[in-house]
Amino acid sequence: DGGITQSPKYLFRKEGQNVTLSCEQNLNHDAMYWYRQDPGQGLRLIYYSQIVNDFQKGDIAEGYSVSREKKESFPLTVTSAQKNPTAFYLCATLAGGYPDTQYFGPGTRLTVL
Amino acid sequence: AQSVAQPEDQVNVAEGNPLTVKCTYSVSGNPYLFWYVQYPNRGLQFLLKYITGDNLVKGSYGFEAEFNKSQTSFHLKKPSALVSDSALYFCAVRGRGAGSYQLTFGKGTKLSVIP
Repeated sequence: DGGITQSPKYLFRKEGQNVTLSCEQNLNHDAMYWYRQDPGQGLRLIYYSQIVNDFQKGDIAEGYSVSREKKESFPLTVTSAQKNPTAFYLCATLAGGYPDTQYFGPGTRLTVL
Repeated sequence: AQSVAQPEDQVNVAEGNPLTVKCTYSVSGNPYLFWYVQYPNRGLQFLLKYITGDNLVKGSYGFEAEFNKSQTSFHLKKPSALVSDSALYFCAVRGRGAGSYQLTFGKGTKLSVIP
């Protein structure tokens, strides 16, 4: 898991509430990513950011929002518009250049009650 | 568009036997290819990658993978499986074009090593 921290590890939310998942990195990596993992579906990209103050939608961005005000931080907000938010959320970073391996945080498991 | 297929949802192998986890990919141009492992309720751990050069790539924990361009495959292998290798394995591909920052993952293969 290296220098990527995600908090909290477990998160419970009532329907209709927004919730923010934290991702912090001390690897000085430029790019950061948010993935959603559901059983049998692998990882699906929600949002990614290549530099501060810039981010792009991934394959399943609806119902999610992000910000990238600092290089070290890339928080993900799961809004009430996300119809099925219960999942395991993974944050990742990419150094850029060569070699360009993606590194993952330990994940946050979100459960909607 | 790039894609990855892991044709087996689950692979069972006896401890001490060789193991293979299959992966095929589709991408424009030459690929970057990766294997990751995930233990329950944990993040993904990097195992190995193919960038260029030798088609046989050696990685962590005794794993290796063979890049086969003609078959567009990147199968993960280990000569002798351990019970501790039991986990979920993901193959991923990334293109080499400018601005290619997206990794595309397969759906994962659950490896069970039987004592």
